[in-house]
Amino acid sequence: DAGVIQSPRHEVTEMGQEVTLRCKPISGHDYLFWYRQTMMRGLELLIYFNNNVPIDDSGMPEDRFSAKMPNASFSTLKIQPSEPRDSAVYFCASRTERGRLTDTQYFGPGTRLTVL
Amino acid sequence: EDKVVQSPLSLVVHEGDTVTLNCSYEVTNFRSLLWYKQEKKAPTFLFMLTSSGIEKKSGRLSSILDKKELSSILNITATQTGDSAIYLCAVNHFGNEKLTFGTGTRLTIIP
Repeated sequence: DAGVIQSPRHEVTEMGQEVTLRCKPISGHDYLFWYRQTMMRGLELLIYFNNNVPIDDSGMPEDRFSAKMPNASFSTLKIQPSEPRDSAVYFCASRTERGRLTDTQYFGPGTRLTVL
Repeated sequence: EDKVVQSPLSLVVHEGDTVTLNCSYEVTNFRSLLWYKQEKKAPTFLFMLTSSGIEKKSGRLSSILDKKELSSILNITATQTGDSAIYLCAVNHFGNEKLTFGTGTRLTIIP
């Protein structure tokens, strides 16, 4: 299995620009999670989906952030407009609800976002 | 609010030493505790613990959960430079699929 795939791996943009991060979960996984990691705050959950439906978006910082999952194999996290404080590594993770290790989330390689 | 605290925040040891990393938690309806290793990129899964007192082992790494003390330890014996990483602890609870992560322990192994 290819694992969770994220793109781009690095993104540098200017304040005010729109940023779109992409994620392809592991095939057959039912849950998809978006996290943000910074030195100050560690790993924070932004939003998660179950069977393509957003379940909890209470971690989304503000209205500038939005996430979609149009099908089981693709999700996007969009920031519009971006601000320097959004600079972080954004991870996507997925997991299944079947099997012995159902709580285990598998992480993608992350997108390192820098907003100038 | 769910809380996961890891200690120490940072640890520097020499190759060959044994280390113990700690994780304590406060969550309602605890379901599982997970350990991850994060090197320069994504966290990679190490262990999932659900039952108290049962040690999980993988090579030089082992972990155990104590539900009475609301804590877990991760042991690494005969450390190697490749063990240098941030070790993250996370907990899950019934009724919510979120993982709540601790801030991690940064482990550095000196050759």
